[in-house]
Amino acid sequence: EVQLLESGGRLVQPGGSLRLSCAASGFMFSSYAMSWVRLAPGKGLEWVSDISGSGGSTYYADSVRGRFTISRDNSKSTLYLQMDSLRAEDTAVYYCAKVGSSAWIGHFDYWGQGTQVTVSS
Amino acid sequence: EIVLTQSPGTLSLSPGERATLSCRASQSVSSSYVAWYQQKPGQAPRLLIYGASSRATGIPDRFSGTGFGTDFTLTISRLDPEDFAVYYCQQHGTSPPCSFGQGTKLEIK
Repeated sequence: EVQLLESGGRLVQPGGSLRLSCAASGFMFSSYAMSWVRLAPGKGLEWVSDISGSGGSTYYADSVRGRFTISRDNSKSTLYLQMDSLRAEDTAVYYCAKVGSSAWIGHFDYWGQGTQVTVSS
Repeated sequence: EIVLTQSPGTLSLSPGERATLSCRASQSVSSSYVAWYQQKPGQAPRLLIYGASSRATGIPDRFSGTGFGTDFTLTISRLDPEDFAVYYCQQHGTSPPCSFGQGTKLEIK
């Protein structure tokens, strides 16, 4: 059974940093690209970042490029999102999601339960 | 960047009725790269349809997807009480980025 378990979300002040983790199990982690997707209050889903299965290729939404860094440790089957220079508009539930094909990006067939990030003073 | 516009924003229907949700892209999208998700409050999104018309594992056959080019549709043939939720369409290619529509809230009338 595929499982994705996020952690690391909390209340942080504007300008602060946070690292989210997503522990994966039930599939060959290194064979699949992974993404972070967020849901801000009163808004819709927003794709944030993607990383290839090897970790050699990454991509970011314009809204987070230069502030967020996605990475993965295939030996630990864990995905990360390092979030720096946080802003109030980054407040959201952050989901990790598994790409449902062998491509770099695609539909997301499995999602974690989400972790809440709140940026406020 | 491809922008997806979903309509209506809110759809009020009764159980047993048919629901038709629309997703329009700002430019042509391969039907292979369109997906639909259902999200209930406090829960993660759930994949319903991928490749515009293929149902994901475990999805009831009352859910169906159609479309090509810039216009895509999710149809729920007979609404079950558990179907009332927010629905999102997504487009992706073979490389990032991908994008989501703003969502359609399906509420009980």
